[in-house]
Amino acid sequence: KQEVTQIPAALSVPEGENLVLNCSFTDSAIYNLQWFRQDPGKGLTSLLLIQSSQREQTSGRLNASLDKSSGRSTLYIAASQPGDSATYLCAGYSGTYKYIFGTGTRLKVLA
Amino acid sequence: DGGITQSPKYLFRKEGQNVTLSCEQNLNHDAMYWYRQDPGQGLRLIYYSQIVNDFQKGDIAEGYSVSREKKESFPLTVTSAQKNPTAFYLCASSHGGRTEAFFGQGTRLTVV
Repeated sequence: KQEVTQIPAALSVPEGENLVLNCSFTDSAIYNLQWFRQDPGKGLTSLLLIQSSQREQTSGRLNASLDKSSGRSTLYIAASQPGDSATYLCAGYSGTYKYIFGTGTRLKVLA
Repeated sequence: DGGITQSPKYLFRKEGQNVTLSCEQNLNHDAMYWYRQDPGQGLRLIYYSQIVNDFQKGDIAEGYSVSREKKESFPLTVTSAQKNPTAFYLCASSHGGRTEAFFGQGTRLTVV
């Protein structure tokens, strides 16, 4: 059974820092992994989707990587800004229309 | 603008009452999903639908029901059999199982 873990649960950094969020999954038979952002009381916004055949995806200041063999994905945020403050969730898709979500990393970027 | 619309944003339910949460998408997606989010827990799948007139139970379907009569719509009914319904409910859609999933803005349900 696929399990997804995100560490740390919370992170606080000063503005301008480059940072890495981690996502670990137990089942390497993963078809894709998706990163989301969630603001308080809001829905999820898709950031990046990495297919199992890909190693990384980039969008603006965001870069996500996927290493199936080690069961890890990372989300790299360059030059963090206060507007990046949110909860970041990763979700692995292993088939049968089920995305397995981690519990998220709550990020606070201090001005 | 294409997207997923959930309504209402806030919903209050009395004990023993059934309530229905609306989810509409104009992305022309075949697959739709309902998730429940509780503080400190990951999203949990309630029901999903791969195609019109078909739906499957997720991990926590007890006390919930759905219908998929139109491609665009996937309403969720929280029945009186759901003993702990207070939560944030999220609807999502995708072209298929291996593609990017998109979410609505959620409905917060509170039992009063």
